[in-house]
Amino acid sequence: AQSVTQLGSHVSVSEGALVLLRCNYSSSVPPYLFWYVQYPNQGLQLLLKYTSAATLVKGINGFEAEFKKSETSFHLTKPSAHMSDAAEYFCAVNQKEDYKLSFGAGTTVTVRA
Amino acid sequence: NAGVTQTPKFQVLKTGQSMTLQCAQDMNHNSMYWYRQDPGMGLRLIYYSASEGTTDKGEVPNGYNVSRLNKREFSLRLESAAPSQTSVYFCATPLGTRAAGYTFGSGTRLTVV
Repeated sequence: AQSVTQLGSHVSVSEGALVLLRCNYSSSVPPYLFWYVQYPNQGLQLLLKYTSAATLVKGINGFEAEFKKSETSFHLTKPSAHMSDAAEYFCAVNQKEDYKLSFGAGTTVTVRA
Repeated sequence: NAGVTQTPKFQVLKTGQSMTLQCAQDMNHNSMYWYRQDPGMGLRLIYYSASEGTTDKGEVPNGYNVSRLNKREFSLRLESAAPSQTSVYFCATPLGTRAAGYTFGSGTRLTVV
């Protein structure tokens, strides 16, 4: 079964600081990779996705992620945090042979003024 | 959360009661999924349906049943609710190809007392 690991269940950053959320997957074949964001009391929204077209993927709200096959990683970054970035972020993967998504445990981001 | 509608949004049940969570999608996709979200555990797949008339167990199916009523609708039933089923439940369907990710409903927050 596909495994997704997000390092750090909580991340606290100052407004304007770099946001870095880590995600590693376990698969010998690069899967499709996604980052989702969940704002309080809301559903999940797709931030960005990796589909092998480019290793650096840009998403909404200034976020981007870099796929590194050698490290089996897909870390999410944003150069300058905004108060509105406070949310929970999930990394997810699916294998190319089916549609089922496997999710990491999530990372909650708080932004300090 | 365009494309997937879930009802109800909130529900409180007593232990042993039954209920059905409803989900409908207008993405015209064959696949539909039910997940539960618990703190620190991300989203875990309960059941999925790859096409109308088929359903399969996911990671945590015990205590649940599902019905794929037609291409649009996929319901989740708790026959005898237990406090361990207190969770937030999400229905999802693919946005298109496997590389596109999912769209999610807004969720059902269920409390079993």
